Amino acid sequence: QVQLQESGPGLVKPSGTLSLTCAVSGGSISSSNWWSWIRQPPGKGLEWIGEIYHSGSTNYNPSLKSRVTISVDKSKNQFSLKLSSVTAADTAVYYCARTLVVGLGSRFDYWGQGTLVTVSS
Amino acid sequence: DIQMTQSPSSLSASVGDRVTITCQASQDISNYLNWYQQKPGKAPKLLIYDASNLETGVPSRFSGSGSGTDFTFTISSLQPEDIATYYCQQGFTFGPGTKVDIK
Repeated sequence: QVQLQESGPGLVKPSGTLSLTCAVSGGSISSSNWWSWIRQPPGKGLEWIGEIYHSGSTNYNPSLKSRVTISVDKSKNQFSLKLSSVTAADTAVYYCARTLVVGLGSRFDYWGQGTLVTVSS
Repeated sequence: DIQMTQSPSSLSASVGDRVTITCQASQDISNYLNWYQQKPGKAPKLLIYDASNLETGVPSRFSGSGSGTDFTFTISSLQPEDIATYYCQQGFTFGPGTKVDIK
C-alpha cells in the first residue's frame, strides 16, 4: 500500500518561497508513475500544480509555471515543491498524490493527508 | 484547455435516495473521466476511473457512466457516510465539485 506524507512549514511570509516535501513509502518513487502536487484553498475546489517523473521530467500548471519548481530525490524516495513569490492567494491545503497513467487516461489514486500552508506576515 | 462543469453545485437528499451528479467537458474526452469523494478535512478519494470503473474497495452503490462530453455519477442508495463533496477530473482539470448533504 503506497503512502504519501507531506511536510514543511505551515506559515510562509508574503513574497517568500513555500517549500514542501512529500515522502513516499510502500512503493518506489522510481516506479512507472508520475507524482503530483495539488492544492485546495480554504472552502474552494482542487487545483493541480504540477507533476514529476523519477527521471526529473516535469509538467506544470501554466497559471503557476513561472513560480513553481518540483524536484525529486530518488535516494530518499521523496519529491518536493517550491512556490516562489507567494501571496495570500497561495494559502491552501497542499496535497501530494500519485498520478497513475494508463494509456491516454490518468488518475490520482494515492493521496497524502494534506498540509495547510498559510501565507501571512 | 479543457473545462469541466458539474451540476448541481449542491444537493440535499434523504437516506436511501438515488443521487445523480453530472459532469460536462468542454470537448470530447472519450472515457477519460474520474470521480473523487472528499469528506471534510480529508484528502480526496478516488471512487470511479475511466468513467465507469469502480476503484477497488469502493461500495457498489457508487457508479459512473458516460463518454465524450457528458458524464453521470450515481449513488444508488444514499447513506449517511456518503456526505461529502464529489469532484470529477480529467487530466489536470477538476470540476468545481458537488456538495451532498442529508435532508
